[in-house]
Parts: sequence; structure tokens; C-alpha cells
Amino acid sequence: DTAVSQTPKYLVTQMGNDKSIKCEQNLGHDTMYWYKQDSKKFLKIMFSYNNKELIINETVPNRFSPKSPDKAHLNLHINSLELGDSAVYFCASSQDEGRGEYTFGSGTRLTVV
Amino acid sequence: DAKTTQPPSMDCAEGRAANLPCNHSTISGNEYVYWYRQIHSQGPQYIIHGLKNNETNEMASLIITEDRKSSTLILPHATLRDTAVYYCIVRHRNAGKSTFGDGTTLTVKP
Repeated sequence: DTAVSQTPKYLVTQMGNDKSIKCEQNLGHDTMYWYKQDSKKFLKIMFSYNNKELIINETVPNRFSPKSPDKAHLNLHINSLELGDSAVYFCASSQDEGRGEYTFGSGTRLTVV
Repeated sequence: DAKTTQPPSMDCAEGRAANLPCNHSTISGNEYVYWYRQIHSQGPQYIIHGLKNNETNEMASLIITEDRKSSTLILPHATLRDTAVYYCIVRHRNAGKSTFGDGTTLTVKP
């Protein structure tokens, strides 16, 4: 049983489109995150949610909108996709608003053409 | 969260111990040292963490200097599957975000 699962694994889309990435965790964790890893392999946090509430928003463009319907799910919707959005997006979760170690999903490779 | 400094790359012979250093000279008293690794194209994987005592688990050992300004992750018998980017992170255990730096690319060679 996968602890943190993301879908889709690969996503190829045209500039200007709107797309969503889904994430689910079955660990009972309270906090979930989205990280972006660009072509230079630098991992940068984007958002963090604790019990469905946004707690970290790292100056990400408004085109990115996270949504957490419940504490086990954190989805990422991206409007008007741009070439620079091409990256691998990782979802992660941890206990209690940042406590302890993070468990990461396997990533979604987004390619904007 | 304190900043960390790691060498960009290291090599290790298969079967030997891999010792990965991390400098965190600005660490504060209630910040922990965490280690993660990322094997090619996969999500980062938690390895170990510690505050001031040395720690060991089934994956690795963590040695933290007495002044806590640096630490070393030890993989006692490196295998080819340990080839990965290893990240050292310093953060409060109960708060804050994990900020990943550039990490160390460890290559285990036969």
C-alpha cells in the first residue's frame, strides 16, 4: 500500500492549459506539502497544509492553487500553464504541522510544450 | 532554519563505509539535523535525524559533533543502490519547513 500517492506520474500539456495533480496519503498525517524540483534538481517548497488549512505559501504565482478537501488529500491546480512550470512536483506529508520526518510521493513530471 | 553546507559530490567503493559530511555552524539549540536521500527520479526518502546524541538505525548512523556545528552521515557498507543525492537539513522538529539545499551526490562504484 503506497503511503503517499500522486497522480498522474507524467503530464504533458500545452502552454495556456489548466491542469491538476492529485495527492493522497494513508499515513494519518496532519500536514501535507507540495515541493517543486526544477531542471537543476533544486527542491523548493511551494505550499503546506495542516488539517486542511494553508500554513505555508512560498511566494508561488497565483496560477497555482492548492486545495485540501480533507487532511488525507492535497491537490494542486495550475492555471494558464507556462514553459517555466515544467518540473517534477512532489507531494509529501508529516505528523502535526511539520513534526518529524517527511514522507514523499514518487513525483509528477510535468512538461509544458 | 539554519543553513547547511555539503560537498557537491563524493565517491565510495562498494562495501566500504560512506561518510557524508554536513556543516551547520549556525544551528540553534532546538534545531534537529535531518538526512534524506533522493535516488534518481524518485521522491526523497527520510534516513535519520538527531539533536545532539549520535543516532543509528537500520539504514545509517548519524554522528553529531559536540558543538553541533557539523555532522556526518555514515552508510556502513555502501552498495550500488546507495548511489543518490544526500540532503542534510536543519529544522525545528515541531515546526517549520524542510528546506533542501544542493545536497551531496554520492556515487558508489563497484
